[in-house]
Amino acid sequence: DAGVIQSPRHEVTEMGQEVTLRCKPISGHNSLFWYRQTMMRGLELLIYFNNNVPIDDSGMPEDRFSAKMPNASFSTLKIQPSEPRDSAVYFCASSFILGQANEQFFGPGTRLTVL
Amino acid sequence: AQSVTQLDSHVSVSEGTPVLLRCNYSSSYSPSLFWYVQHPNKGLQLLLKYTSAATLVKGINGFEAEFKKSETSFHLTKPSAHMSDAAEYFCVVTTVNQAGTALIFGKGTTLSVSS
Repeated sequence: DAGVIQSPRHEVTEMGQEVTLRCKPISGHNSLFWYRQTMMRGLELLIYFNNNVPIDDSGMPEDRFSAKMPNASFSTLKIQPSEPRDSAVYFCASSFILGQANEQFFGPGTRLTVL
Repeated sequence: AQSVTQLDSHVSVSEGTPVLLRCNYSSSYSPSLFWYVQHPNKGLQLLLKYTSAATLVKGINGFEAEFKKSETSFHLTKPSAHMSDAAEYFCVVTTVNQAGTALIFGKGTTLSVSS
């Protein structure tokens, strides 16, 4: 298994531009998580999906952020418009949850720099 | 409500000496607990997990953790540190809300290993 796949690995963009981060979870997993990691705030859960349905998006910082999971094998996290304070490493993780939370498998992350 | 506290933000040890990374949790039910490791510029990797079986859990790379319900602790230990253990370590507890389950990550402990 290739594990969780994220693209791009690095993204540099200018303030105001739209940014789309992509994630392919591990086949067979039913839950997908988006995290943001910065030095200041550490690791933050942004949103998670179960069976392609958003379950908890309370961690999404503001309306500029949106996430979708159109099918079991693909998810996107979009920032529009982007701002310098969005610069961070964004991780996607997937898991199989049945009754209780199970271990999550993390992708390599996307390092986003907004100038 | 569930929460997790990593008592040390930074731990420094010498190579060959024991490692102790402390974690306390709060949970209103029997939790599942995890330790993850993150090496520089890498994603997170599961070290070990406790899911109500044996209270002493062995993980990868010689790490182990003991679940102590009376102390609400899940400290991570290793008898002898290696240079390659230098990384950030996250203690994680499960959380349950009306919609489903997810993981709560601690703030992380940075482990430094000197020769």
